[in-house]
Amino acid sequence: AQSVAQPEDQVNVAEGNPLTVKCTYSVSGNPYLFWYVQYPNRGLQFLLKYITGDNLVKGSYGFEAEFNKSQTSFHLKKPSALVSDSALYFCAVRPRGRNSTLTFGKGTMLLVSP
Amino acid sequence: ETGVTQTPRHLVMGMTNKKSLKCEQHLGHNAMYWYKQSAKKPLELMFVYSLEERVENNSVPSRFSPECPNSSHLFLHLHTLQPEDSALYLCASSQEGLQGNTEAFFGQGTRLTVV
Repeated sequence: AQSVAQPEDQVNVAEGNPLTVKCTYSVSGNPYLFWYVQYPNRGLQFLLKYITGDNLVKGSYGFEAEFNKSQTSFHLKKPSALVSDSALYFCAVRPRGRNSTLTFGKGTMLLVSP
Repeated sequence: ETGVTQTPRHLVMGMTNKKSLKCEQHLGHNAMYWYKQSAKKPLELMFVYSLEERVENNSVPSRFSPECPNSSHLFLHLHTLQPEDSALYLCASSQEGLQGNTEAFFGQGTRLTVV
């Protein structure tokens, strides 16, 4: 069975500082990896995904994520946080192949203080 | 806007009521999904429709009944719900190919409260 772990319920960071939101996964094979963001009273919004190739993936709003196969991790990062980045972030994994489905982590709340 | 529209945005219903949630996607995608989002829990995949055929039903109680009349519309019919069914219900769509590497696009959700 596939699973995604987001070990932190909440991450607090000051504006302008770098941020990291952690994600590890347990899936057989080489899955596809995704990050989504959810702002209050909104649906999930796609940020970025890892399919293959370079381990550092760049996405929307200045976010990036680093894939580490040996540690089965896919941490989300941003060099300089903004207050407007405060939201709920979800990591998701999907096995390769047609008819596979996304499995989400429980989410990490990111709070960026002014 | 993501191109996936859900109505209503909010719904309060009694345990004996029958109601329906509606989802429409304007992206030309060939797959649609219902997810349930409860506080501090991972998103739960409820139903998947690919090319208008249901391909997954994750042991969802029969009081939830999906309907996909065409590739652009998805419904979730609700009847005799329980208070623990109160949650945010999210619809999503994606364009599925052989690889399975496409991202899903989500609607804004319907906040359901069962009283």
